[in-house]
Amino acid sequence: DVKVTQSSRYLVKRTGEKVFLECVQDMDHENMFWYRQDPGLGLRLIYFSYDVKMKEKGDIPEGYSVSREKKERFSLILESASTNQTSMYLCATQGQYNSPLHFGNGTRLTVT
Amino acid sequence: DQQVKQNSPSLSVQEGRISILNCDYTNSMFDYFLWYKKYPAEGPTFLISISSIKDKNEDGRFTVFLNKSAKHLSLHIVPSQPGDSAVYFCAARSNFGNEKLTFGTGTRLTIIP
Repeated sequence: DVKVTQSSRYLVKRTGEKVFLECVQDMDHENMFWYRQDPGLGLRLIYFSYDVKMKEKGDIPEGYSVSREKKERFSLILESASTNQTSMYLCATQGQYNSPLHFGNGTRLTVT
Repeated sequence: DQQVKQNSPSLSVQEGRISILNCDYTNSMFDYFLWYKKYPAEGPTFLISISSIKDKNEDGRFTVFLNKSAKHLSLHIVPSQPGDSAVYFCAARSNFGNEKLTFGTGTRLTIIP
């Protein structure tokens, strides 16, 4: 069974802080994704990565960056957190092409 | 620009009856569609998928129907059970080889015992 682990379930940060959200997978999957989930907006893709050191912008990359130094770890970085980044953040991995995404349990981030 | 739309934010269904969740899309390049189920405080889990070369796919109590001309898909759950109460997201992928999934806004399904 695929295991996708997000380091924090709940996080509270202040406006302007630099925030790191970590995601680790144990299935040697090539593809990794960061989504945010907001009421009425569904899941929106922030960034994704096909391989180590590779990254692609999703639909809403502004205010975020990512890092993939090792295959199993994909980090989402909020350079200077703002209140409109309060959200549920979901990491996902994918093995073969057209196979379903496997999601972590999410990190609920509150920026005050 | 919402390319995948779920127009019903919520739906309540009596236990044992059929639940029908609907999803519309606008991008004609989408060729692969999935449904995910999400419980509170958990990540979404994959439920069922369908390729654009098919119009129906069945897996136990779950059936997905695809109407390409109407750009519409639906998920049927029969019979509905209390454990089916969750938020359901439809998602779509383009045939350009990009692995990016576009998700709908979700429908909260409540099964009434």
